[in-house]
Amino acid sequence: EVQLVESGGGLVQPGGSLRLSCAASGFTLSDYYMDWVRQAPGKGLEWVGRSRNKANSYTTEYAASVKGRFTISRDDSKNSLFMEMNSLKTEDTAAYYCARITIHESSGSYHEKFDPWGQGTLVTVSS
Amino acid sequence: AIQMTQSPSSLSASVGDRVTIACQASQDISNELGWYQQKPGKAPNLLIYAASILQSGVPSRFSGSGSGTDFTLTISSLQPEDFATYYCLQEYNYPHTFGQGTKLEIK
Repeated sequence: EVQLVESGGGLVQPGGSLRLSCAASGFTLSDYYMDWVRQAPGKGLEWVGRSRNKANSYTTEYAASVKGRFTISRDDSKNSLFMEMNSLKTEDTAAYYCARITIHESSGSYHEKFDPWGQGTLVTVSS
Repeated sequence: AIQMTQSPSSLSASVGDRVTIACQASQDISNELGWYQQKPGKAPNLLIYAASILQSGVPSRFSGSGSGTDFTLTISSLQPEDFATYYCLQEYNYPHTFGQGTKLEIK
């Protein structure tokens, strides 16, 4: 069974750091792009960033709101994805989800499928 | 960044109703769009990708259409388990962006 399990959330003071983990099972992590998506309490979904797969040299993309503060990495030997979050702000308070990205080819175009998602881990930034 | 605007923001409907949710992109995104369903306290779940392709295991009462800037998600006959919040997501470029969500409630 394909499964993603996030961990590492918690309460941190503004300006602090936190490292989230996403443990993957049922598939080979290095074959897939992996994303982080967050959701502030009572709000909508916000795309945070991406780690491409081994074939694409594990390159990354970030939302402007976290660029320079968050870093996505992975340890394929442990089948795990990570996100190092530094200089945390109160507005970073959210549930953080990891998601596996499958690329589907159709008529020469490539489309992304965010599936599955983990259950989420809550990060609270507060003094 | 591409802005995705969903309408309506909330919708009340009854079991058996046909409902349509719209999503408009601020620029042409071809058919690089997905629809996701989220229930309270749960992670989102993929319904539709490439604007109109039904994800495996998703009931056929869900359908998607559109291309360019205007997209729709239609539920042909609402079931009790469909009351949830729905999001569109553009993957045309970075940063990927979600619509603000449409909350579907029981009338």
